[in-house]
Amino acid sequence: LAKTTQPISMDSYEGQEVNITCSHNNIATNDYITWYQQFPSQGPRFIIQGYKTKVTNEVASLFIPADRKSSTLSLPRVSLSDTAVYYCLVGGFTGGGNKLTFGTGTQLKVEL
Amino acid sequence: DGGITQSPKYLFRKEGQNVTLSCEQNLNHDAMYWYRQDPGQGLRLIYYSQIVNDFQKGDIAEGYSVSREKKESFPLTVTSAQKNPTAFYLCASSMYGTSGDYEQYFGPGTRLTVT
Repeated sequence: LAKTTQPISMDSYEGQEVNITCSHNNIATNDYITWYQQFPSQGPRFIIQGYKTKVTNEVASLFIPADRKSSTLSLPRVSLSDTAVYYCLVGGFTGGGNKLTFGTGTQLKVEL
Repeated sequence: DGGITQSPKYLFRKEGQNVTLSCEQNLNHDAMYWYRQDPGQGLRLIYYSQIVNDFQKGDIAEGYSVSREKKESFPLTVTSAQKNPTAFYLCASSMYGTSGDYEQYFGPGTRLTVT
């Protein structure tokens, strides 16, 4: 299984860009990288997914280097409402079998 | 409204009793999942199902059982054999295919307390 490692917590201020890195040294060829956001006592919510290089959507960017052993979630101009836990998930069902491994999550705290 | 629902939101049981958590989705998703989350921890996969009438154990299946008789439903039973059942249980669903991976849609969760 592709074990992931993330920082336990990060602090930021409103309006700043936040970059959260996830390490996944054992990522397999067929594995995708997905990031989720979770607020207390709620189910996680999908943010972004990628396989290689860079992916951007309306809320975030995901940077994946060529070796794919890490990935960085970039949140532009964060606000107080971005305070949440962010999870990096590596794997999936491509090729069959259970390869869903959530990381420990990064608690992001955004202040004024 | 399409979505995934879990009921009840809070559930209390006495030790030694089996309890079943409900999960229903109307997203026409093939795959469904059950996760467990303990305070301050990440999500751990209990069981998953890729198609009706088939399911697979996840990382922590001991003390749990599931069924998948309908595409829309994936109930989880927490048996008395589960040593530490008190936790936040999350159900999710996604499309399934071999061309890539699909985002999971999570339900609101059920908080189970066993005393």
